[in-house]
Amino acid sequence: GDSVTQTEGQVALSEEDFLTIHCNYSASGYPALFWYVQYPGEGPQFLFRASRDKEKGSSRGFEATYDKGTTSFHLRKASVQESDSAVYYCARINMGYKLTFGTGTSLLVDP
Amino acid sequence: EAAVTQSPRNKVTVTGGNVTLSCRQTNSHNYMYWYRQDTGHGLRLIHYSYGAGNLQIGDVPDGYKATRTTQEDFFLLLELASPSQTSLYFCASSDPLGYEQYFGPGTRLTVL
Repeated sequence: GDSVTQTEGQVALSEEDFLTIHCNYSASGYPALFWYVQYPGEGPQFLFRASRDKEKGSSRGFEATYDKGTTSFHLRKASVQESDSAVYYCARINMGYKLTFGTGTSLLVDP
Repeated sequence: EAAVTQSPRNKVTVTGGNVTLSCRQTNSHNYMYWYRQDTGHGLRLIHYSYGAGNLQIGDVPDGYKATRTTQEDFFLLLELASPSQTSLYFCASSDPLGYEQYFGPGTRLTVL
């Protein structure tokens, strides 16, 4: 079925480190892919999306490239800050406008 | 000014109790959604709606009913609450493409 896999449950980094959070999606259809971010005590917020192969989405210094060949949409940031500490969700949109979310990756950045 | 609001923010009930969670959006969106968030599962879709009077079944609907009374208001009903429904519940709204969903602040429900 339609699914999204995030392999890292938690990531711990120091400020200015490079971030990669892995996201793979099941190869059914040609979904649009998303990253959402959730800060403590808040609901998730849309970060960005990509809809076709090789398209790059980006926002707030984060970016990810849609890769149909490897069915991936990995989140990257060159230099993280303490304020980036949050839970990051990869998601895909299926028929009927239903988002399917991954299990989330908790990022903790030490100052 | 928050565009998606939820009430109550916290709720405690007992097994077998009757609970209604409320959501209101002022985004003028047609689509509204109810999710539950649990550790290890992420966000899972319970029910969603295309507009007033419409209801669609999500991925984890068992034990939940929902009703969309107006474009703005979407309710989640637990008529016989069970401890397995202890969770953090989020409401969201989106435009017809569904590409960007706007989430409320969540309701934490505890079923004893």
